Amino acid sequence: NAGVTQTPKFRILKIGQSMTLQCTQDMNHNYMYWYRQDPGMGLKLIYYSVGAGITDKGEVPNGYNVSRSTTEDFPLRLELAAPSQTSVYFCASSYSLGDLPGNTIYFGEGSWLTVV
Amino acid sequence: QKEVEQNSGPLSVPEGAIASLNCTYSDRGSQSFFWYRQYSGKSPELIMSIYSNGDKEDGRFTAQLNKASQYVSLLIRDSQPSDSATYLCAVKGDWGKLQFGAGTQVVVTP
Repeated sequence: NAGVTQTPKFRILKIGQSMTLQCTQDMNHNYMYWYRQDPGMGLKLIYYSVGAGITDKGEVPNGYNVSRSTTEDFPLRLELAAPSQTSVYFCASSYSLGDLPGNTIYFGEGSWLTVV
Repeated sequence: QKEVEQNSGPLSVPEGAIASLNCTYSDRGSQSFFWYRQYSGKSPELIMSIYSNGDKEDGRFTAQLNKASQYVSLLIRDSQPSDSATYLCAVKGDWGKLQFGAGTQVVVTP
């Protein structure tokens, strides 16, 4: 059981380049999330999805796009990379919204992105 | 704008002592609260969840919730060097979205 898998783990981008951060979960989770974490800060929500084909903006969506064509995959697209997008990106997923034992939000290991 | 506030620290705690972390939140309708531990370079790890007013204990950790005062706290008893990490307070909103505080760095000194 791999859980939530993010690739790549590290990436350096030049200003203006584009790239996609991949996120895959093998737990049949409906809900998936992308967060970013800047140094010394908490995580901020970029986009989220409540199921295949359904996505919505979070707190800091500018400069990013997402898609959810399958239950398993939730890629995050960075268009025209800017230095302000230098951050650590975490993908997360959960099975349901209820506060039940075992209904944990699972985080991926993170993707470190530097834009120069 | 919903906010979650934490003392930034660092909080220096002698080994064996109690570490006390505080968190306040702005959305009075919030019902679900979490404490995550994050080691440097790692992803957040859930250590406590709390949904009702009062105390909840799990091993050396105790979470306290007071919805009337809109604060959540975390006590770490018998602090160990392995407890040195950043502790993130999170509040769950609609669609499972988490609002995080900036985190409190805890340093346990021998």
